[in-house]
Order: sequence, then structure tokens, then C-alpha cells
Amino acid sequence: DTAVSQTPKYLVTQMGNDKSIKCEQNLGHDTMYWYKQDSKKFLKIMFSYNNKELIINETVPNRFSPKSPDKAHLNLHINSLELGDSAVYFCASSQSGQGNYGYTFGSGTRLTVV
Amino acid sequence: DAKTTQPPSMDCAEGRAANLPCNHSTISGNEYVYWYRQIHSQGPQYIIHGLKNNETNEMASLIITEDRKSSTLILPHATLRDTAVYYCIGGSGDKLTFGTGTRLAVRP
Repeated sequence: DTAVSQTPKYLVTQMGNDKSIKCEQNLGHDTMYWYKQDSKKFLKIMFSYNNKELIINETVPNRFSPKSPDKAHLNLHINSLELGDSAVYFCASSQSGQGNYGYTFGSGTRLTVV
Repeated sequence: DAKTTQPPSMDCAEGRAANLPCNHSTISGNEYVYWYRQIHSQGPQYIIHGLKNNETNEMASLIITEDRKSSTLILPHATLRDTAVYYCIGGSGDKLTFGTGTRLAVRP
């Protein structure tokens, strides 16, 4: 069983469209994250949710709206897609607490905006 | 999170130990040292973490200096599948901030 699963794996869409990426974890973790990896391979945190509550919002445009219906799911909705949104988006989960045993990442969603 | 400094690239021969250094001179007393790797655009993979003591698991060993200003990740017998970008991160675990990492190439 995949621990952190993201769908879709690939997404090609036109500028101006609205799209969603879904993430689910079956590890029983209480915290989930979205990271963005751009073409230069920099991995940057976007959002963090703990038990469905937004914890971290790293100066991400408000076209990006995360939603966590329960602690096992964290979806990312993007409005009015722009060329610069093209990147690989990674979902991750962890169990909170000092010195937790690390994050588990999904395999990524490659978003291409044309 | 503590700022970390890693060499941009390294290589080692298959079957030999790979020793990846990391400087984290600004790490605070309650911040851990985490190591992750990313193999060819896959999701980052957790390797190991430690606070003060050296740590070992099935993947690697982590050696932290007594002053905690630097550490070394050791892959005892590197294989071609260990070719990846290795990230050293200093933090408390509530938010991982990835740097540019070290690109390790394991050669046959």
C-alpha cells in the first residue's frame, strides 16, 4: 500500500484554468504538507496542516487554496493557473512532536501550464 | 531553522563508503539534524536524523560533532542506486527547509 498517494501524477492544462491535486496518507499521521519544486530543483514548503488546521502558509499567492477535509487528506486547488505555476508538487505527512521520525513524501504531481 | 552548507557535488566508487559532510554552525540546542535524499525527481526520502549522539539505521550512519556544528552522513557501501541529491536540514521537525543539497554520483 502506498503511504502517501497523490493524484494525478501528471497534469497539463492551459493558462487561466482551475485545477486540483489530491493527496491522501494512510500512515495515521496528524500533519500534512505541500511542497513545490521548481525547474531549478528548489524544494519549498507551501502549506502545512495539523489535524485539519492550517499551521504554515509560506507567502503563497491566494490563487492556491489548500483544503483538509480530515487529517488523512490534504488537497490543493489552484485558480487561474499561470505559466510560473509549472512545477512538481509534493505532498508529505509526518507525526508531530519534537524529533519526529521524518516526513514521508508522495511521488509528486508534475504540473505543466501551457 | 538552522542554515546548512553542503558541497554541491561528490562522487564515490560503488562498494566504497560515501561520506557526505554538512556544516550547521548556527544550529540551536533543540534542533535536530535531518538527512533526506531525492532520487531523480522522486519524492524526497527520509534517511536518518539525530540530535547529539551518533545514529545508525539500516540505510546510513550519522556522525555529529561534539559541538554540533557539523555532521557527516555515511553510506557504508554505496551502490549505483544511491546516486541522488542528499539534503542536510537543521530544524525542529515542524517545518523542513531544503537547501541545494549535495549531488552524489556513485560510479561503477
